[in-house]
Amino acid sequence: AQKVTQAQTEISVVEKEDVTLDCVYETRDTTYYLFWYKQPPSGELVFLIRRNSFDEQNEISGRYSWNFQKSTSSFNFTITASQVVDSAVYFCALSEANTGGFKTIFGAGTRLFVKA
Amino acid sequence: GAVVSQHPSWVICKSGTSVKIECRSLDFQATTMFWYRQFPKQSLMLMATSNEGSKATYEQGVEKDKFLINHASLTLSTLTVTSAHPEDSSFYICSAQRSGSRHQPQHFGDGTRLSIL
Repeated sequence: AQKVTQAQTEISVVEKEDVTLDCVYETRDTTYYLFWYKQPPSGELVFLIRRNSFDEQNEISGRYSWNFQKSTSSFNFTITASQVVDSAVYFCALSEANTGGFKTIFGAGTRLFVKA
Repeated sequence: GAVVSQHPSWVICKSGTSVKIECRSLDFQATTMFWYRQFPKQSLMLMATSNEGSKATYEQGVEKDKFLINHASLTLSTLTVTSAHPEDSSFYICSAQRSGSRHQPQHFGDGTRLSIL
């Protein structure tokens, strides 16, 4: 069975601090996909990144970076030099390849507060 | 591109009424759409997978007769909350997956805040 754990319920940082959001997943499939989504206070979900299980290369996009470690089943997300606009709930999600490919399971989310 | 429109964005109605929420993919075809429910400060819980031209697949614990899903075209899925009660108040979010693109990111609507009085 697939499972996504985001152990950090809430994180509060001061602007310009770096912050890492943790994500640990469980799956029995060898082929799977991991995602991060952002949900600002307005409620809509914003796609941030997708990573497949065969691509462990870390990725950087502006102030965002992702560290995928299959050995520890983790897919952590780091925001560098955080800004107030980064305040949101961030969800990590997992999609398995062998369940028809359509079901995506979300973690509980981490609420990030960035103070000015 | 890849815009999903969800309507209405906000609805308040009396207990016992039925509410229909629409989810449209505006610039792509979506064989599969998903309906999620999100309670305050909680995660998205998948309610059902909506398949164009066939019956929806409901997650365990979701009442099929309570939450009617219709996916009559490749660009439209509807969720009807029948005989809604205050405990059905929640944030409902739909998402659509572009046909032929398994494991691509789902494209989410902006959600519908449902309040039942």
